[in-house]
Amino acid sequence: DARVTQTPRHKVTEMGQEVTMRCQPILGHNTVFWYRQTMMQGLELLAYFRNRAPLDDSGMPKDRFSAEMPDATLATLKIQPSEPRDSAVYFCASVRVTDTQYFGPGTRLTVL
Amino acid sequence: QKEVEQNSGPLSVPEGAIASLNCTYSDRGSQSFFWYRQYSGKSPELIMSIYSNGDKEDGRFTAQLNKASQYVSLLIRDSQPSDSATYLCAVNIVSSSGDKLTFGTGTRLAVRP
Repeated sequence: DARVTQTPRHKVTEMGQEVTMRCQPILGHNTVFWYRQTMMQGLELLAYFRNRAPLDDSGMPKDRFSAEMPDATLATLKIQPSEPRDSAVYFCASVRVTDTQYFGPGTRLTVL
Repeated sequence: QKEVEQNSGPLSVPEGAIASLNCTYSDRGSQSFFWYRQYSGKSPELIMSIYSNGDKEDGRFTAQLNKASQYVSLLIRDSQPSDSATYLCAVNIVSSSGDKLTFGTGTRLAVRP
């Protein structure tokens, strides 16, 4: 049963610290999305990659967020420095070409 | 105007009733539409996709699409307490950088036993 995996599942950190979230897409899926979900804003697209190349990161605060895909089995989202307003659930999703998006379980981030 | 709009709810229906969830979108060029279900504390999961005007049925779920009115809906027949969740409408937006899903903020459905 192929699934998107994300680590860590929960992260509590202090303001100013660096946070790195990891995602392993489903094998064979060539497009990876990063979303952020909050009660107020709902599900927002931060960035996405196709065949490891970044296609759109316009939803991401550029000064503190960065997203990379060092290889086909790993996508990372980094926040440096983190702020309390970054507290949210971060989801990764993967899709094969233009098929259904499959979501990972999410990383629940709390910045104190 | 938001690209995808949904009534946040909560929508409360008794068990066995029909739940009707609605969504409007702004991009007339959109061709693909999806309904995701999200239980509290869980990730979204796809329950229906629809690409053509009209109705598409899958078990107790029916998706309806009207591109002229830029409107997509989800009907849940014989609602069960296990259907209580947030339902997210998603629309595929095609841009110069590729196509991507834009989500509504979701409608919370509560099915009363």
